[in-house]
Amino acid sequence: GDSVTQMEGPVTLSEEAFLTINCTYTATGYPSLFWYVQYPGEGLQLLLKATKADDKGSNKGFEATYRKETTSFHLEKGSVQVSDSAVYFCARYGGSQGNLIFGKGTKLSVKP
Amino acid sequence: DVKVTQSSRYLVKRTGEKVFLECVQDMDHENMFWYRQDPGLGLRLIYFSYDVKMKEKGDIPEGYSVSREKKERFSLILESASTNQTSMYLCASSLRRAAGAEAFFGQGTRLTVV
Repeated sequence: GDSVTQMEGPVTLSEEAFLTINCTYTATGYPSLFWYVQYPGEGLQLLLKATKADDKGSNKGFEATYRKETTSFHLEKGSVQVSDSAVYFCARYGGSQGNLIFGKGTKLSVKP
Repeated sequence: DVKVTQSSRYLVKRTGEKVFLECVQDMDHENMFWYRQDPGLGLRLIYFSYDVKMKEKGDIPEGYSVSREKKERFSLILESASTNQTSMYLCASSLRRAAGAEAFFGQGTRLTVV
């Protein structure tokens, strides 16, 4: 069935390091893709999204490009901060049910 | 700003109790969802609703039921709580069944069943 696979964590980086979190999906067609972030003790917040192939979503220095050839939507940030420590979820639109299908999440810890 | 509000941040209930988790959204969204979040398993869909009095099962509906009597409110019911229902529960809403419709989440309810 339709699914989302993202790299397992935890990921630990030093401040100002480059971040990549890989995400791939399976789907028929080209569903909208999302990255959500969950800070400690909170619900999920939308970080960025892309609604069609080759779109680039960006927010707060994070970017992800919708690659239909590789069915990927990798999250990147050039220089992470301690405040970026959180759990990141990749998701795709579920289609007929109207729900989102999530990856299992990647926990990021950024050390000063 | 869209606001999705869950009635409790933390709950502790006893095995066998009937538990109600309430969720309210203030943006007139048609879709509402209940997920549970567990370490290593990510978010799993329990139930969702796309209209008042409408409900559909998600991936893990066993042991749960839902109620949507008003558009803004979606309740999750644990008929007889069990310890394996200890989890973080997240409510979400979205505008409609449209590609690209992002979901807005509440802050979560951490339920412990003892």
